[in-house]
Amino acid sequence: AQSVAQPEDQVNVAEGNPLTVKCTYSVSGNPYLFWYVQYPNRGLQFLLKYITGDNLVKGSYGFEAEFNKSQTSFHLKKPSALVSDSALYFCAVRPANNAGNMLTFGGGTRLMVKP
Amino acid sequence: DTGVSQDPRHKITKRGQNVTFRCDPISEHNRLYWYRQTLGQGPEFLTYFQNEAQLEKSRLLSDRFSAERPKGSFSTLEIQRTEQGDSAMYLCASSSSGLAGSETQYFGPGTRLLVL
Repeated sequence: AQSVAQPEDQVNVAEGNPLTVKCTYSVSGNPYLFWYVQYPNRGLQFLLKYITGDNLVKGSYGFEAEFNKSQTSFHLKKPSALVSDSALYFCAVRPANNAGNMLTFGGGTRLMVKP
Repeated sequence: DTGVSQDPRHKITKRGQNVTFRCDPISEHNRLYWYRQTLGQGPEFLTYFQNEAQLEKSRLLSDRFSAERPKGSFSTLEIQRTEQGDSAMYLCASSSSGLAGSETQYFGPGTRLLVL
């Protein structure tokens, strides 16, 4: 069975500084990897995904993520954080060969960007 | 707004009552998913439809949970004989038919259920 770990419950960063939100995964075979963001009382908004190809994936709002197969990681990054980036971030995985189509999510990381 | 919509946004019910939630997917999407999210946790997959066919339902939490998508458009999730442990956010998502698994799932705003 697949799993996702987000080792940090909360990440604090000053506005303008780079941010990283960590994600590691476990899956049989090749992974499809996703990042979503959730604002208070809202559903999840898609940020970016890795399917195949270039290990560096660029997404919405200036976010990017790097797929590292040897470390089974898919960390989310942004060069310069904004206060408005403060939210809950979820990493998700599904195996490329799984017909069930379900996403398995990590527990989430709360990002706090301070002015 | 042409995104995924869910109704109601909030539901308060008493233990033992039945509740039904509705999800309207993005119009051109033929796949529809239900997830449950409890406080402080990531979403947990419940079930999945392709058109009107329910292709995965083994993750429904108990036989009190059921879902339908009768015409391949909107879907309903019903919880019978609700329990306090059912209190959670119920999220719906939809996607198009891409390379299976690679397509993006787009989420609705969720229905927050509180069972008293």
